[in-house]
Amino acid sequence: QKEVEQNSGPLSVPEGAIASLNCTYSDRGSQSFFWYRQYSGKSPELIMSIYSNGDKEDGRFTAQLNKASQYVSLLIRDSQPSDSATYLCAPRAGGTSYGKLTFGQGTILTVHP
Amino acid sequence: DGGITQSPKYLFRKEGQNVTLSCEQNLNHDAMYWYRQDPGQGLRLIYYSQIVNDFQKGDIAEGYSVSREKKESFPLTVTSAQKNPTAFYLCASSVKVSGRIQPQHFGDGTRLSIL
Repeated sequence: QKEVEQNSGPLSVPEGAIASLNCTYSDRGSQSFFWYRQYSGKSPELIMSIYSNGDKEDGRFTAQLNKASQYVSLLIRDSQPSDSATYLCAPRAGGTSYGKLTFGQGTILTVHP
Repeated sequence: DGGITQSPKYLFRKEGQNVTLSCEQNLNHDAMYWYRQDPGQGLRLIYYSQIVNDFQKGDIAEGYSVSREKKESFPLTVTSAQKNPTAFYLCASSVKVSGRIQPQHFGDGTRLSIL
């Protein structure tokens, strides 16, 4: 089993629709969860962090976390063509040492007009 | 402007040659990281450093070396032992705030190719 698995893409949605990106992780010690967006040829940029079970909303983005199910998702409402990118899920184990982030393989999202 | 600067943006390596990728940050972050990304793949950790003069191997350290002589700088050397170095290399940094480790932020990356 991979440490972090994301829904296989590519995912294609029409403009204005909701895009749903899913991620499961194997390390039950994971405490912090990050979603990064990566445009083609560019470096990843952080778009959401979530630390507690439940939903966290930021503008058109909502992250959902269920630690019992080891599942984290990202919803993008009112999707725009500018949202077309690869989305990377990255859980991090707890603790006070920096350690490492483990990234999923990414889901390619295409929003078509 | 605070940030992470990687140079060069593009780099070409000849067979049997060592090359060094630069990563500098002015964010006063303690931790720095090097990742490799291959087409269609996620990021894989090469090395990371939590403090000056200390660093740890990541998942794919073979064929790479690093140093951390200054807090601001974490250069990565791709040695001739790395037989498949063509990839996108990303440097990141992180810091603790109120005891919580903050998300990593990335530089713009260096694309390395073999001549």
